[in-house]
Amino acid sequence: AQSVTQPDIHITVSEGASLELRCNYSYGATPYLFWYVQSPGQGLQLLLKYFSGDTLVQGIKGFEAEFKRSQSSFNLRKPSVHWSDAAEYFCAVGLSGTYKYIFGTGTRLKVLA
Amino acid sequence: GAVVSQHPSRVICKSGTSVKIECRSLDFQATTMFWYRQFPKQSLMLMATSNEGSKATYEQGVEKDKFLINHASLTLSTLTVTSAHPEDSSFYICSAGRARGKDTEAFFGQGTRLTVV
Repeated sequence: AQSVTQPDIHITVSEGASLELRCNYSYGATPYLFWYVQSPGQGLQLLLKYFSGDTLVQGIKGFEAEFKRSQSSFNLRKPSVHWSDAAEYFCAVGLSGTYKYIFGTGTRLKVLA
Repeated sequence: GAVVSQHPSRVICKSGTSVKIECRSLDFQATTMFWYRQFPKQSLMLMATSNEGSKATYEQGVEKDKFLINHASLTLSTLTVTSAHPEDSSFYICSAGRARGKDTEAFFGQGTRLTVV
């Protein structure tokens, strides 16, 4: 069965520090991979996506993610976190040939001033 | 980019009444739309797949008689929560699928916060 695991429920970092949010997936075919951010009470904003090609993907707001097939991972990174990055982050797998997404449980990011 | 609009963004209804949520793809046609539900501080769970011109497909455990889905056109899907109860209070998000070549991507609405009192 397809699944997405985000091992870290909460992460706290200081402003200006680097960030890495982990995402592992289980899917038999080549996945479409996404990272979304959600502020409290708001909808989803797409940060970046991977369909194919270069395994290092650049997104908005200075985020990047690297697809590692051998590790079934798609970790999100940012070199320097800003206080406005505090939010909930969701990793998702898009099932090939469909528009159906499986979401991870989310990681809540707290940023210390 | 592809825009999906969801309306209303917030709704409060009395227990026992029904409420309709609309999901529109504004600049593309979507034969398939999806409805997700998100409980507080939890992830998004797929409720159902809405197919234009045919019956919706519900995920296991989702009551199809409580959550009525209609996808009457290529740009509009509606979710009606019938005889709503406080436990139906949740954040509902729709998505619409668009294909470009071999790549398929879903675009999400802004979500609807439903509160049943």
